[in-house]
Amino acid sequence: NAGVTQTPKFQVLKTGQSMTLQCAQDMNHNSMYWYRQDPGMGLRLIYYSASEGTTDKGEVPNGYNVSRLNKREFSLRLESAAPSQTSVYFCASSEKREVLNYGYTFGSGTRLTVV
Amino acid sequence: AQSVSQHNHHVILSEAASLELGCNYSYGGTVNLFWYVQYPGQHLQLLLKYFSGDPLVKGIKGFEAEFIKSKFSFNLRKPSVQWSDTAEYFCAVNGYSGNTPLVFGKGTRLSVIA
Repeated sequence: NAGVTQTPKFQVLKTGQSMTLQCAQDMNHNSMYWYRQDPGMGLRLIYYSASEGTTDKGEVPNGYNVSRLNKREFSLRLESAAPSQTSVYFCASSEKREVLNYGYTFGSGTRLTVV
Repeated sequence: AQSVSQHNHHVILSEAASLELGCNYSYGGTVNLFWYVQYPGQHLQLLLKYFSGDPLVKGIKGFEAEFIKSKFSFNLRKPSVQWSDTAEYFCAVNGYSGNTPLVFGKGTRLSVIA
């Protein structure tokens, strides 16, 4: 099925460990996004990539890095995990020509716990 | 900077009751407005959107929203809710060109009881 695929779905890390969250889309979308969702805070933008080869910071980029590996893939890396990064992470993609009709397509999320 | 305010954190309704969820935005220009729904354990899905034309827009599952430019509002409504509408609802906004990322409100959790 076409869409946005995120891996892993669940992860537990110890403080200070590093990991990369993977995201891939097969809709040929130019733009990709990483959001984190916390109770009572809604979704906050971490980083986004408007097109292949570009990345920009969002509202809460500290502690994260991203890589737009190619048009399909956009990964999020935590270099040294902290308990404050415990959250649900959503990847999304969009195409400028389509966003006004279809909005963003979201992945199913990665639930990350840092202990 | 863009921002979105959702007035209600948690709304509890009985089945068949009418629903109205408030959303106000702050943005210095023409905007696109969206409502997303997140059912328990699932990802966000688009409920409806507005970018031009008739300010009363209809979405899936009987939902509608009205854009009132003078009030910077985009409230979500449904005449009669069902138990299956239990979910979290997010209002979101971006600039009219569609180039800027969506900014989301903090969400409103709706619980529908029998």
